[in-house]
Amino acid sequence: GNSVTQMEGPVTLSEEAFLTINCTYTATGYPSLFWYVQYPGEGLQLLLKATKADDKGSNKGFEATYRKETTSFHLEKGSVQVSDSAVYFCALTPYNNNDMRFGAGTRLTVKP
Amino acid sequence: GAGVSQSPSNKVTEKGKDVELRCDPISGHTALYWYRQSLGQGLEFLIYFQGNSAPDKSGLPSDRFSAERTGGSVSTLTIQRTQQEDSAVYLCASSPGLVNEQFFGPGTRLTVL
Repeated sequence: GNSVTQMEGPVTLSEEAFLTINCTYTATGYPSLFWYVQYPGEGLQLLLKATKADDKGSNKGFEATYRKETTSFHLEKGSVQVSDSAVYFCALTPYNNNDMRFGAGTRLTVKP
Repeated sequence: GAGVSQSPSNKVTEKGKDVELRCDPISGHTALYWYRQSLGQGLEFLIYFQGNSAPDKSGLPSDRFSAERTGGSVSTLTIQRTQQEDSAVYLCASSPGLVNEQFFGPGTRLTVL
């Protein structure tokens, strides 16, 4: 079946550190890939997405590249801020339907 | 325009009671999803409606859980004979169609005493 595996947290970084949150997927065909973010006390919101191989999604300084060869969609940011503290979820939808599956989430805490 | 809304925002109930949770999706969105998020856990898929197709119920944890979507719009998630392990935040999301992002509601926090 379709599934997403992301690195377990929690992740704690100092401000301005480099961030990588790993995400790998299992799916048939070419799924669309997403990163969602949940800030404290708020609902989930889309951070970025990529719909085909080699696409790079980017938003708010975050980037993720759709790597078909490694079935990965790792989230990166060059310099994190305290305001980036949140839970990050990797997700996919299969190529032929809208049945989205989420990873377990990775909690990021950025300290000043 | 209005986003996905859910009601109630909080629900406290006693073990063994039935509860109904409501979701109003964004107008025109054909897909609607229910998820459960337990404390410190990720999102657990429960059920998915797409247009007039039969719903995908593969994520429902037991036969105490059911959901319906009337008129292709509003959805109700019903939990019968609630148990303490049902305590969680129940999230609803809608999507305009195939291969699109999902828009999430604020959730309903359910506490079963």
